[in-house]
Amino acid sequence: AQSVTQPDIHITVSEGASLELRCNYSYGATPYLFWYVQSPGQGLQLLLKYFSGDTLVQGIKGFEAEFKRSQSSFNLRKPSVHWSDAAEYFCAVGAAQAGTALIFGKGTTLSVSS
Amino acid sequence: KAGVTQTPRYLIKTRGQQVTLSCSPISGHRSVSWYQQTPGQGLQFLFEYFSETQRNKGNFPGRFSGRQFSNSRSEMNVSTLELGDSALYLCASSIRSDGELFFGEGSRLTVL
Repeated sequence: AQSVTQPDIHITVSEGASLELRCNYSYGATPYLFWYVQSPGQGLQLLLKYFSGDTLVQGIKGFEAEFKRSQSSFNLRKPSVHWSDAAEYFCAVGAAQAGTALIFGKGTTLSVSS
Repeated sequence: KAGVTQTPRYLIKTRGQQVTLSCSPISGHRSVSWYQQTPGQGLQFLFEYFSETQRNKGNFPGRFSGRQFSNSRSEMNVSTLELGDSALYLCASSIRSDGELFFGEGSRLTVL
């Protein structure tokens, strides 16, 4: 079955500390992988995407993610978290043949403490 | 460049009624997709329209339908509303009909 697992429902990080959000996927085809962020009352914004090529991808707002095929993972990282990063983060998987039909994880809520 | 616009932002309906939600994509985007977001099920794909044709459909009952107009604007309709249809309905547009989606702020539907 196709699925995305985000093991951490809620994470609290101190401002200035590093962040890693975990994502594991199960998908039959060669996956396209995404991280989206959602602030309260807002829609989702794309942080970064992986289609092919270099397995370390850079995104907006200083985020990066690494695709590890052997581990079926696509973890999101940021070296220094800012208070404005507090939001809900979603990992998603798709494929060329799936078009815009993404499978999303249940999300990880990030809180930032001062 | 204007983003994806969804109307209405909030609405309340009663069971058995129907509802129509509207979405205007980013100019030049021909693909429009709809997602349902609920606390229990998370984000689930409803359908995608591209150049007025439904390209893909998720696992939802036939009460959920949509259409796209020649100007790429899209509507989705839910008939015979059930309590479980209460959700945030998100519209997203795309240039290439891939997973790089630009989302609107959503229409929050409450069914009483």
